[in-house]
Amino acid sequence: EPEVTQTPSHQVTQMGQEVILRCVPISNHLYFYWYRQILGQKVEFLVSFYNNEISEKSEIFDDQFSVERPDGSNFTLKIRSTKLEDSAMYFCASSDGVGETQYFGPGTRLLVL
Amino acid sequence: AQSVSQHNHHVILSEAASLELGCNYSYGGTVNLFWYVQYPGQHLQLLLKYFSGDPLVKGIKGFEAEFIKSKFSFNLRKPSVQWSDTAEYYCAVMRGYQKVTFGTGTKLQVIP
Repeated sequence: EPEVTQTPSHQVTQMGQEVILRCVPISNHLYFYWYRQILGQKVEFLVSFYNNEISEKSEIFDDQFSVERPDGSNFTLKIRSTKLEDSAMYFCASSDGVGETQYFGPGTRLLVL
Repeated sequence: AQSVSQHNHHVILSEAASLELGCNYSYGGTVNLFWYVQYPGQHLQLLLKYFSGDPLVKGIKGFEAEFIKSKFSFNLRKPSVQWSDTAEYYCAVMRGYQKVTFGTGTKLQVIP
């Protein structure tokens, strides 16, 4: 069964550094998403992406965040200057249509020191 | 703002006990509803979903959920839990066809 994959599984970085989290969505999916889960809190929507454009974003997704589909298979989330409060598990998801089920990757645990 | 409430944060059951996890949402329009499960050390997996039609939906591993529109509820049930059902369960609502709003999750612990 096709799966969403994410790399790395864990990342530790210093405050102020840039990080790029990578995702490979399910191959025939066209809609891509990032969510995050701060430890002990609920999963929160960050952004959705379709046709090389952001289609929706939350208030969390400020100018420090950006997303890109650099090639036909990868979908990345960049945090330009990480803050301590960016420490969380970041989940990528994909779906094959608007309003369809989103399938989640295993997550990248980001720790900002 | 749209919200999803899960009433039970931590549930402990013995094997073979019946399970019901509550979920209520605040949005009054058309919604798509989901239950996701996260087994220890694993990623979020879809347990079941409701888009339209029969309000009683059946999912994997013997789980089912009932959508009651008048109560804005989508409760998850299983008649007889197993130790392998130990996991965190998340109710989620999709409105606007893209953004999914999750509840805070319910940690289920099944004692053999």
